[in-house]
Amino acid sequence: TQLLEQSPQFLSIQEGENLTVYCNSSSVFSSLQWYRQEPGEGPVLLVTVVTGGEVKKLKRLTFQFGDARKDSSLHITAAQPGDTGLYLCAGAFGSARQLTFGSGTQLTVLP
Amino acid sequence: SQTIHQWPATLVQPVGSPLSLECTVEGTSNPNLYWYRQAAGRGLQLLFYSVGIGQISSEVPQNLSASRPQDRQFILSSKKLLLSDSGFYLCAWSYGGSQPQHFGDGTRLSIL
Repeated sequence: TQLLEQSPQFLSIQEGENLTVYCNSSSVFSSLQWYRQEPGEGPVLLVTVVTGGEVKKLKRLTFQFGDARKDSSLHITAAQPGDTGLYLCAGAFGSARQLTFGSGTQLTVLP
Repeated sequence: SQTIHQWPATLVQPVGSPLSLECTVEGTSNPNLYWYRQAAGRGLQLLFYSVGIGQISSEVPQNLSASRPQDRQFILSSKKLLLSDSGFYLCAWSYGGSQPQHFGDGTRLSIL
């Protein structure tokens, strides 16, 4: 069974600060996705990364996939209260028929 | 465009009562379908997934069962609920096992 570890588990910062959250595995991902979930709602896909070393940007969010495809990071620049939520990474391993989700990073951005 | 509907949004049930949660997808055919349970502020635990009508794979032995009577309908059931069945239940669909998943808004289930 492949495991995804996310860190930190909780993060509380002031508006305007930068932050990075991490997603790590001992196994190689065939692809990896990041989701954001707000209370009482389902997760919403932010990005999919496939190629080792890939960097994708979504406004103030920067996603990086490790060269060995075993880890990924999400960096938020100048965080805003609207960025508050649970950030989940999910990995596909080989020919697996489902994704493996990490336990999430709960981000709170204080105004 | 594709949409996913999940209901009810909230449900309060007594211990020992039956359960039926329904999920339907529109705008696509032969999707992979998934049921997850989520503890507060935590990750997703995969309960069941289905790659086609009548095909159900169970990931966790438990008090629950799933059925897929139609291509775009996925049902989560229990004959007798336990206190430990409380949680946030999410249905999702995707085009394939490694593809991004699209989630419903979830059902908050409370067992009394």
